[in-house]
Amino acid sequence: NAGVTQTPKFQVLKTGQSMTLQCAQDMNHEYMSWYRQDPGMGLRLIHYSVGAGITDQGEVPNGYNVSRSTTEDFPLRLLSAAPSQTSVYFCASSYNPGGLADNEQFFGPGTRLTVL
Amino acid sequence: RKEVEQDPGPFNVPEGATVAFNCTYSNSASQSFFWYRQDCRKEPKLLMSVYSSGNEDGRFTAQLNRASQYISLLIRDSKLSDSATYLCVVPNQAGTALIFGKGTTLSVSS
Repeated sequence: NAGVTQTPKFQVLKTGQSMTLQCAQDMNHEYMSWYRQDPGMGLRLIHYSVGAGITDQGEVPNGYNVSRSTTEDFPLRLLSAAPSQTSVYFCASSYNPGGLADNEQFFGPGTRLTVL
Repeated sequence: RKEVEQDPGPFNVPEGATVAFNCTYSNSASQSFFWYRQDCRKEPKLLMSVYSSGNEDGRFTAQLNRASQYISLLIRDSKLSDSATYLCVVPNQAGTALIFGKGTTLSVSS
């Protein structure tokens, strides 16, 4: 199994550009999520999905869109990039986010995004 | 109280030392807790899960104090390879997401 894969690994955008960060998992996990990590801020939840066709907002959703058309894929779209979105983005998946069993979150390697 | 709070450190210890990190959480209904490890510029990875009073795995011991709403991670006989950031993680009140603390940085030196 490849686990959780993310593309691209690095990206530089200009202010106002849009792009999509790709995330895929091959573990048949229902739950997927996107985090951003900034120095001194820890990981903050952007959006999450508990299954295909179901998405919800996390702590910092503004400026980002998500969709979940399949169990495997959970892309994150930046609508109009801003310098404040410069960050490291991690995608994660798990069987059950809050239960007592099988709830390890598996993370992708991250996408390092710089917005100029 | 913030949902998850950790002492950011850094904790600088020599090899062989014992070090402990604490984490406090606000959701008194939480039933499961986690410690993740994150190496520099890498993704977080699960270190330990805590479901009852505690859990032990080799040199690592996680303890839970529900009355005081804190979780601790104890590392005995520290190794150079233990140098990393340790993230305390607690499910949110709705049980739909995991909330990460900001992490505690450990540096083990020879």
